[in-house]
Amino acid sequence: DVKVTQSSRYLVKRTGEKVFLECVQDMDHENMFWYRQDPGLGLRLIYFSYDVKMKEKGDIPEGYSVSREKKERFSLILESASTNQTSMYLCASLPGDRSYEQYFGPGTRLTVT
Amino acid sequence: GENVEQHPSTLSVQEGDSAVIKCTYSDSASNYFPWYKQELGKGPQLIIDIRSNVGEKKDQRIAVTLNKTAKHFSLHITETQPEDSAVYFCAASIPRGTGFQKLVFGTGTRLLVSP
Repeated sequence: DVKVTQSSRYLVKRTGEKVFLECVQDMDHENMFWYRQDPGLGLRLIYFSYDVKMKEKGDIPEGYSVSREKKERFSLILESASTNQTSMYLCASLPGDRSYEQYFGPGTRLTVT
Repeated sequence: GENVEQHPSTLSVQEGDSAVIKCTYSDSASNYFPWYKQELGKGPQLIIDIRSNVGEKKDQRIAVTLNKTAKHFSLHITETQPEDSAVYFCAASIPRGTGFQKLVFGTGTRLLVSP
């Protein structure tokens, strides 16, 4: 079974803090994604990576950056957390063999106060 | 821009009834349409998908239909059970030229099946 794990299920941070969300997948997938999920807005793509050290902006990258130093790990960074970044963050991975199914982690619920 | 609309946002049915969720998409180049189910406290999980060269696909109590001309697709769940209660997301692929396709997700439907 494909397993995508996220470092925290719940996180509470203060405004202005630097926040790291970690995601690890164990299936040697080339592609990894970060989404945020908000009620009434569905899942929106923040950033994705199609190879180690390669990244591309998604639909809502403002206020976020990412890092992919190793194939299995994809980190989302909030340089200076703000209250409007309070959300559920979902990581996903996808094989590089023209497969289509994305595999999701359980999510990190981040609250910025 | 790329957009996927999903309706209804909430759906309540009695156990044993059918449930239908509808989505429309904007990009005529989309050719892959998955449906994900998200249970409480978990990440979304793929339950069924359909490609643009197929009009309908079934898997036991779940079916998906696609109308490419009208740019809409639907999820049908028959004989609903309480364990079908969850949030369902549709999505449409967005080609990127080479490599994998991005997914654009709908806004989700919360399905509640009452015993």
